[in-house]
Amino acid sequence: DVKVTQSSRYLVKRTGEKVFLECVQDMDHENMFWYRQDPGLGLRLIYFSYDVKMKEKGDIPEGYSVSREKKERFSLILESASTNQTSMYLCASSSGTGNTIYFGEGSWLTVV
Amino acid sequence: RKEVEQDPGPFNVPEGATVAFNCTYSNSASQSFFWYRQDCRKEPKLLMSVYSSGNEDGRFTAQLNRASQYISLLIRDSKLSDSATYLCVQGGNKLVFGAGTILRVKS
Repeated sequence: DVKVTQSSRYLVKRTGEKVFLECVQDMDHENMFWYRQDPGLGLRLIYFSYDVKMKEKGDIPEGYSVSREKKERFSLILESASTNQTSMYLCASSSGTGNTIYFGEGSWLTVV
Repeated sequence: RKEVEQDPGPFNVPEGATVAFNCTYSNSASQSFFWYRQDCRKEPKLLMSVYSSGNEDGRFTAQLNRASQYISLLIRDSKLSDSATYLCVQGGNKLVFGAGTILRVKS
C-alpha cells in the first residue's frame, strides 16, 4: 500500500513563528503536493514538485515555501505564521501525470 | 467560473436509495478524472478513476460526458456508511478538486 506520512498531525503555533510541516512517501513517486483545505473552499494547491529540488507554485503560494531535497520528502514551510493560515494541510504524492494521487492523513494547524 | 464545480448538497437520502451527483469541468483537454471520498476530518481517499466513458465498481458507477463536460457518480442501494463528502477531481499536471458534495444516508 502507498504510504504518505505527515509526522505532525496537530499543531498550535503563535503568530510570527516559523512552522515546518514534513511529508514522506514510500512509493518512489515523482510528484508531491501540498494542499490546504478550508470549509466551503475545498482543496487548494499551495506548491507541488515533479522532482528533487524542483518546485512549482500552485494556486495559493503566498506566505509559504517548500523544500524537496530528497525524492521521498517534501516539506512545507510557513516563514511567519499568521492566523489566516489556520487550516488543515494535506500532503499528497503520485507517479506520472494524471495518475491517482494519494494523501497523507493531514496536519491540523492552528495559529493563535 | 470555477474549473470544477459540484453541487455542495447536502443530499439527504434514506438507506437503499439511489443517488447521483454531477460535476462540471472546464478543461476540455483533460484526459482523466477521479472521484474521491472524504470522511469528516480525514484525508480524501480514491473511490474511482474515470479515463474513458465510464467506470463501474459494485454499487458505484461513474460516467463521463465529454460533449457536455461533466462527470457523474451514481450510488445504488445507499448504505449508512456511504455518508461522506464526495470530491470530483479533474486530472492533469495539476489536479483540480471540486469543493465536494455532502451525502447523508439516514436509516
